[in-house]
Amino acid sequence: DTGVSQNPRHKITKRGQNVTFRCDPISEHNRLYWYRQTLGQGPEFLTYFQNEAQLEKSRLLSDRFSAERPKGSFSTLEIQRTEQGDSAMYLCASSLDPRDTEAFFGQGTRLTVV
Amino acid sequence: GEDVEQSLFLSVREGDSSVINCTYTDSSSTYLYWYKQEPGAGLQLLTYIFSNMDMKQDQRLTVLLNKKDKHLSLRIADTQTGDSAIYFCAERTPSNDYKLSFGAGTTVTVRA
Repeated sequence: DTGVSQNPRHKITKRGQNVTFRCDPISEHNRLYWYRQTLGQGPEFLTYFQNEAQLEKSRLLSDRFSAERPKGSFSTLEIQRTEQGDSAMYLCASSLDPRDTEAFFGQGTRLTVV
Repeated sequence: GEDVEQSLFLSVREGDSSVINCTYTDSSSTYLYWYKQEPGAGLQLLTYIFSNMDMKQDQRLTVLLNKKDKHLSLRIADTQTGDSAIYFCAERTPSNDYKLSFGAGTTVTVRA
C-alpha cells in the first residue's frame, strides 16, 4: 500500500461546471477526512466518514458539495456549479481508528475555477 | 476561525536552529502535531506529542509543550535548505471527535 491516493492532482474547470474528486485511503483505514486549503491558510475541515457513514459536515460545505464513501473504501467529493471561490487544494486523510495517533494525508487535488 | 495560532514567517540561516511557535486553546487536547508542506504537495507528518508529555525529541526535531500556557514549539536543529517549507501546528481532541484543527502555518525560509 502506497498511502493515501488522490485523483486528479490538478483540475481546471470553467465556472458553473461540476467536478468530482476521488480519494483512495490506506487499506483498512476506517476514518476518512476531507479538508480544504486556500492560499496562505491551514487546512479547514469539510467532512468525515467512519466506514461508509458520513458523521459530520462543516458549515463550509454548502449544498453544492456532496461527499460519499459508498462501500467504506474510496470516497468522492463532488462540487456542483463551481464558483471561483471554490478554487483551493482539496486534501484527503485517513486513519485506522478515530483515536489512532496518525492521520495520513494524500497529495491533494488542486482545483482552479476560471 | 482558528483555535490554533502560529507566527506566519521565519527566516533562518543554514546550520542554525529554527524555532516555530504555536498556541492552542482546547485544554483537553490529546494530541498535538507538526506537519510540513512543501510547495504544491500534501501534508507530511513530522512529529506529534501527547498532551501528558512535556518534550519529545526525534533526531533533529524537538517538540516542547507548555500545557499551562497552551504553547507548543518545534525546534529544528542544524537547519538545512531542504527544511524550507510551511509548517503547520494542529490539535486533535476527543471533544472534537479527533478531527484535526490546524493553524495558518509558518513559512520557514532557510538562507545560505
